[in-house]
Amino acid sequence: DAGITQSPRYKITETGRQVTLMCHQTWSHSYMFWYRQDLGHGLRLIYYSAAADITDKGEVPDGYVVSRSKTENFPLTLESATRSQTSVYFCASSQAGRRTEAFFGQGTRLTVV
Amino acid sequence: AQKITQTQPGMFVQEKEAVTLDCTYDTSDPSYGLFWYKQPSSGEMIFLIYQGSYDQQNATEGRYSLNFQKARKSANLVISASQLGDSAMYFCAMREQLYTGANSKLTFGKGITLSVRP
Repeated sequence: DAGITQSPRYKITETGRQVTLMCHQTWSHSYMFWYRQDLGHGLRLIYYSAAADITDKGEVPDGYVVSRSKTENFPLTLESATRSQTSVYFCASSQAGRRTEAFFGQGTRLTVV
Repeated sequence: AQKITQTQPGMFVQEKEAVTLDCTYDTSDPSYGLFWYKQPSSGEMIFLIYQGSYDQQNATEGRYSLNFQKARKSANLVISASQLGDSAMYFCAMREQLYTGANSKLTFGKGITLSVRP
């Protein structure tokens, strides 16, 4: 399917476990982003990537790891999940340059118990 | 420091009336872009409108227009003739360094909830 897809859509995990959220886009967009959405905080940037093998921290990177070995994939790993990481996670992608609106995945609702 | 500020916690508007959603931003970069997104209760993020810092005219997209006041660093979204389907959360976002090719992150505000009354 064309577009940007996230998996899984819903995930429940236990404190201390490692969990990976997947993000795949078919547009060959150079930029990809990970956000978390929490009530009262809007969307906060966790990590972003300008191209394969180029990643950079956003506003709230602690406890998260990303990689981007291929342009189309941008997985987000929680190395040791904590309850404070319970959130809705959005992946997005965009082209570089002007008028660079981002296109979002459907979101992953993660619950850490 | 907060880059994007959306201070209206919740807005109400009567169907068919116009409504303005406020957004102020903070940047020292001359080349930036401002975006508005809509998030209905179903959760998806929908792009609405874009304004570039060098654009001469305010952006318009159908019933959406952007009141861009560069000197005041504000980029308010105007929705004309509100519809019930406009009830949603609205986010303002900014992207800096649009023309330099540098790493360009997209930063969002906290959002504004709009409720349209029949």
